[in-house]
Amino acid sequence: ETGVTQTPRHLVMGMTNKKSLKCEQHLGHNAMYWYKQSAKKPLELMFVYNFKEQTENNSVPSRFSPECPNSSHLFLHLHTLQPEDSALYLCASSKVQPESHEQYFGPGTRLTVT
Amino acid sequence: GQNIDQPTEMTATEGAIVQINCTYQTSGFNGLFWYQQHAGEAPTFLSYNVLDGLEEKGRFSSFLSRSKGYSYLLLKELQMKDSASYLCAVKDSNYQLIWGAGTKLIIKP
Repeated sequence: ETGVTQTPRHLVMGMTNKKSLKCEQHLGHNAMYWYKQSAKKPLELMFVYNFKEQTENNSVPSRFSPECPNSSHLFLHLHTLQPEDSALYLCASSKVQPESHEQYFGPGTRLTVT
Repeated sequence: GQNIDQPTEMTATEGAIVQINCTYQTSGFNGLFWYQQHAGEAPTFLSYNVLDGLEEKGRFSSFLSRSKGYSYLLLKELQMKDSASYLCAVKDSNYQLIWGAGTKLIIKP
């Protein structure tokens, strides 16, 4: 247990569905992150929130919509996804930069788009 | 562009020593990280280097040479449970982590 939880752990959805991924951290951190991990590829940073404010959006398609209601919770809303969006979606948290060293990751949501 | 290179896969024998290399080209440098990721699990933090030299933590050590853009992770007395992917990441001038694709380490008895 790293103090970061994600639900659901597995999700299968059609291209016309709408679903949401949830992340919660119990570490008292103020920065939260969404990453996409595809097989044999580097982790791709999608979004960064510092103190609930979005500070990074790395050219992510609008079919992915993040939400950070408070420093402990992070959501990723999904709609009209494509099969190439199938991947492991990881949430992480840390202290706010620049003082932070490591990020703490959740177990991820394995997403399959059919 | 920014780039992190590490071998895709390595194989080693239980009880032996293995060195996983990482080279990087990034815009700025604010530290290098190694993470371990077992299949189907979250990456977990192993080590952090910001100054040149060797950092030792039990069976694991990490080395950094900033002038060469190079790091390695050294695993000693390998155990079967060390079979995992090892991810190298560099924090750039904007304090964002740039990740390598990971090295899958296979331990054989």
